[in-house]
Amino acid sequence: EAGVAQSPRYKIIEKRQSVAFWCNPISGHATLYWYQQILGQGPKLLIQFQNNGVVDDSQLPKDRFSAERLKGVDSTLKIQPAKLEDSAVYLCASSLRGLANTGELFFGEGSRLTVL
Amino acid sequence: EDKVVQSPLSLVVHEGDTVTLNCSYEVTNFRSLLWYKQEKKAPTFLFMLTSSGIEKKSGRLSSILDKKELFSILNITATQTGDSAIYLCAVEADNRLAFGKGNQVVVIP
Repeated sequence: EAGVAQSPRYKIIEKRQSVAFWCNPISGHATLYWYQQILGQGPKLLIQFQNNGVVDDSQLPKDRFSAERLKGVDSTLKIQPAKLEDSAVYLCASSLRGLANTGELFFGEGSRLTVL
Repeated sequence: EDKVVQSPLSLVVHEGDTVTLNCSYEVTNFRSLLWYKQEKKAPTFLFMLTSSGIEKKSGRLSSILDKKELFSILNITATQTGDSAIYLCAVEADNRLAFGKGNQVVVIP
């Protein structure tokens, strides 16, 4: 079974530039999550999708971050304009079960962003 | 606000030692507690705990949940260098998964 795919693996940009990350979840997984993991901290949820609808985006900095999940499969996370404090690993995860029970998450390998 | 606190944040042990990691939480509408192992890549699932007092075991790793005192323990016996990783605790509540900062374990030969 293919895992959660993410790209790019690494990205270096200057502040005020924009960047986009892509995620393809495990086939059949209805729920998709984007997490931000800053060095030395645990993952922090940015946004959670159930199919192509947003379930929770309360911690997404909406002035600069946006995410979409077209057709309920792939998802993109965009940052525009980037700030130094956005340097982190952006983890995408998916789960089979949806709102009723989050259950086990399957993570991608992450996209490491460095903002200079 | 949901709180998940892990301790110790980091520790160094020798091969063969036993490691005990702690995760305490304060959440409303608790549903489950999960442990993940994170090496240099994606976190990988270890255990999901929903009931108090029932030990989950996988090889040298075991975990137990105490829903009265609101904590979980992850034990690693006879540690090996391959156990070096960050161990993440996450608590599921209100359809959200909140993570702690992780326990960084370094096992030296």
